Amino acid sequence: EVQLVQSGAEVKKPGESLKISCKVSGYDFATFWIGWVRQTPGKGLEWMGNIYPGDSETRYNPSFQGQVTMSFDKFITTAYLQWRRLEASDTAIYYCARLPRLGRKMDHWGQGTQVTVSS
Amino acid sequence: DIQMTQSPSPLSASVGDRVTITCQASQDIGNSLNWYQQKPGKAPKLLIYDAYNLEPGVPSRFSGSRSGTDFSFTITGLQPEDVATYYCQHYDSLPLFTFGPGTKVDIK
Repeated sequence: EVQLVQSGAEVKKPGESLKISCKVSGYDFATFWIGWVRQTPGKGLEWMGNIYPGDSETRYNPSFQGQVTMSFDKFITTAYLQWRRLEASDTAIYYCARLPRLGRKMDHWGQGTQVTVSS
Repeated sequence: DIQMTQSPSPLSASVGDRVTITCQASQDIGNSLNWYQQKPGKAPKLLIYDAYNLEPGVPSRFSGSRSGTDFSFTITGLQPEDVATYYCQHYDSLPLFTFGPGTKVDIK
């Protein structure tokens, strides 16, 4: 069974750093993209970027380029999304999702990680 | 940039009704459109990909179609468990994924 299990909710202060995770199982980690999606009440669902563990290729939404960093650890089949300096506007639910190599659909999703940034 | 608009929102219908949601692209996108269902407090779930194709395991009462830049998502025989927000999603070759604003469906 394909599973993507995300790390728990986070409460942070502006300026702090954060790394959230997405542990996958049930398929070959190296042969599917992992995508990240942000959800906020104001802007809805926004695609942030994809990373391909097979060759480390990354594709960022220009709106998020430079704001976040995607990475992975092949040995523990886990993908990460990282911020160096959080802002209040980063408050959102973040989802990881699996995409086939052609990358046209998000066919399995994690349960989401709530990130709250507040002073 | 390609813009996606969805209608109607919200939508209220009775159990057993045929419900149709429309997503319009601002320019020709071929069949590059998916549909997702999101229930309250849950992650989105893929239902239809490439405009027409039913994702494995998804009930056959869900279907998708296309006419030019207009895409339709239909529930034939609305069930209580179909209460959710439905999103269209365009993808292009960058890749770049753009979600529509969503259509909330509830039961009358």
